Amino acid sequence: DSGVTQTPKHLITATGQRVTLRCSPRSGDLSVYWYQQSLDQGLQFLIQYYNGEERAKGNILERFSAQQFPDLHSELNLSSLELGDSALYFCASSVVGTGNEQFFGPGTRLTVL
Amino acid sequence: ILNVEQSPQSLHVQEGDSTNFTCSFPSSNFYALHWYRWETAKSPEALFVMTLNGDEKKKGRISATLNTKEGYSYLYIKGSQPEDSATYLCAFRSGATNKLIFGTGTLLAVQP
Repeated sequence: DSGVTQTPKHLITATGQRVTLRCSPRSGDLSVYWYQQSLDQGLQFLIQYYNGEERAKGNILERFSAQQFPDLHSELNLSSLELGDSALYFCASSVVGTGNEQFFGPGTRLTVL
Repeated sequence: ILNVEQSPQSLHVQEGDSTNFTCSFPSSNFYALHWYRWETAKSPEALFVMTLNGDEKKKGRISATLNTKEGYSYLYIKGSQPEDSATYLCAFRSGATNKLIFGTGTLLAVQP
C-alpha cells in the first residue's frame, strides 16, 4: 500500500458524459501527478500540481482539467468523454517534485461506452 | 520530443538466471532517471531515483547503474525469482521540465 488513494476504482459511463476522478496523496506529499495508461501505450503524463498550483503540463486534452485543493487532494475532471478516453488513470504523489520518487495510487479504470 | 526507449521489450528467463535490461534517454540536460517495478493488476512501485553520472544503486538482488553522458541506465536482477516477474519501467526527467517521460517498459517473466 503506497498511501495514495484513488476513487472510484472503476467507472463506466457513456460518450459525451463528464466524470471526476479523485486522488488523496500520501500524508506530507505536496506534489500530485496524473497519468493515463491506454491500451498498448505506456504511462502518459497529464499534469502535475504542487501545493495547490499547477507545476507542469503534459499531453492533457483541453476537455480534461484538474485541480489540487487546500487539503492537497486532487481531482481530475474529464468531460465530453469519447471512446478513446477509456484508460487506466493513475495518480501519484511525491514529497516535493520530480526529482523524488513517486508513489502511485491503485488507479481508476474508466470505460466509456 | 524527448524519447525514452527500453530494451528488450520482453524477456523470459529461468529461475536463478541473472538478467539485465536497458533504458536509453536523451544525454543532454539530464536531471533524474527513475526505475519502477509494475506488477500486473497493481500500481507502479518506485525502485530507484538516480541523479548523478556514475550512480549505482542497489536494493536486494536488484541494482542499477547510470551513464548520463551517453544517455543510458542498466537495471540488473541477480538470481531471478518468479516473484520478480513484472514490467520494469524507466522514466526520465530533463532539467528543462518537471515532466517524467516514461519508457514502455521491459516485461520480465521468470519461470520456476
